[in-house]
Amino acid sequence: DAGVTQSPTHLIKTRGQQVTLRCSPKSGHDTVSWYQQALGQGPQFIFQYYEEEERQRGNFPDRFSGHQFPNYSSELNVNALLLGDSALYLCASSFNGFNQPQHFGDGTRLSIL
Amino acid sequence: AQSVAQPEDQVNVAEGNPLTVKCTYSVSGNPYLFWYVQYPNRGLQFLLKYITGDNLVKGSYGFEAEFNKSQTSFHLKKPSALVSDSALYFCAVRANYGGSQGNLIFGKGTKLSVKP
Repeated sequence: DAGVTQSPTHLIKTRGQQVTLRCSPKSGHDTVSWYQQALGQGPQFIFQYYEEEERQRGNFPDRFSGHQFPNYSSELNVNALLLGDSALYLCASSFNGFNQPQHFGDGTRLSIL
Repeated sequence: AQSVAQPEDQVNVAEGNPLTVKCTYSVSGNPYLFWYVQYPNRGLQFLLKYITGDNLVKGSYGFEAEFNKSQTSFHLKKPSALVSDSALYFCAVRANYGGSQGNLIFGKGTKLSVKP
């Protein structure tokens, strides 16, 4: 049973560019959340998708956007990249049931030069 | 505002000794609490959760956590530490908006180092 898979594992971009990160949820999961983990910090919530709609959003600018597809997979898009966007981006999936735990992928390490 | 505090940046334990990783929380309403572990260059792995019921919660890999409402704490424990337990541990609380799928609010993490 495959867990949460994310691609790519590493990415290097320059300031001002745009990036798309991808996530396939664990089998049976229908909810996808994205988190940003800066070096030495805990993950910070970006947004959550359920039924192809953004259900919740954290304190991130509109440069961060996302999408969920009918097969529950998801993308995170970041426009106009800043140096401060360098981080590990984690995707977590869960089943939309009462307090089901979120299962995390290994993340995409994004470096901005 | 909801928050989680992990007061120790690092915990050092000898192999075979008991370990405790501390966590305190601040929420309005009932707390839904979680512990995750992160190994280098990996994502977070779920260890255990407290939703309701017994204050002592048992989880994966021999870990357990004690919920204390009066002290607003949710400390992670293990009776006998292994070198392989060395990792970064995160305590999290589920935000109480968004229903049962509210997002997780994480502490800054505690690095556990178990020496042979």
